[in-house]
Amino acid sequence: GIQVEQSPPDLILQEGANSTLRCNFSDSVNNLQWFHQNPWGQLINLFYIPSGTKQNGRLSATTVATERYSLLYISSSQTTDSGVYFCAVGDSRLTFGEGTQLTVNP
Amino acid sequence: NAGVMQNPRHLVRRRGQEARLRCSPVKGHSHVYWYRQLPEEGLKFMVYLQKENIIDESGMPKERFSAEFPKEGPSILRIQQVVRGDSAAYFCASSPRTGADQPQHFGDGTRLSIL
Repeated sequence: GIQVEQSPPDLILQEGANSTLRCNFSDSVNNLQWFHQNPWGQLINLFYIPSGTKQNGRLSATTVATERYSLLYISSSQTTDSGVYFCAVGDSRLTFGEGTQLTVNP
Repeated sequence: NAGVMQNPRHLVRRRGQEARLRCSPVKGHSHVYWYRQLPEEGLKFMVYLQKENIIDESGMPKERFSAEFPKEGPSILRIQQVVRGDSAAYFCASSPRTGADQPQHFGDGTRLSIL
């Protein structure tokens, strides 16, 4: 099956810093989504981005489908950005990466 | 428009009991997916259903687990004779169709704890 690798596995930032999270995947896909799992366990859909670039406030994402990777940018990080960020790829069946654990300190 | 609704949010069962997890998809969505998240791990696909049909159950354990999505009512994930290893968060997602341009919308999950 498809392989999904996320990096880095852990990231610690000071409030206000910027960061880039990466997702590599092993095969072409029709669906790529980024999620934020908050400390309460809720899964928040950030982007649906099988290709191209999208922006939503302080967050933006870029997927280069031909090179099989996606990047999630977080600018001016806040403590509420803490949690786990997952990339998921596939079609009807999504395969999730292991996530990036982000901690933003005040 | 309500999102994906899962209930209960938390469920506690003793070993050997049955667990029933419910999922109401986004109104108008006819495709439902179930995922399991074991402690400290990512989500793993379990099963994909359309109304009255199981399309892909390749991620379901071979025994004790079953899923349905009837013509009327919510999708149900049923776990019989639960064991400690079934303790996990179970997420449901829905989409109007499958394939390109169809993001999956996720519920808040059901946290199952086995005593």
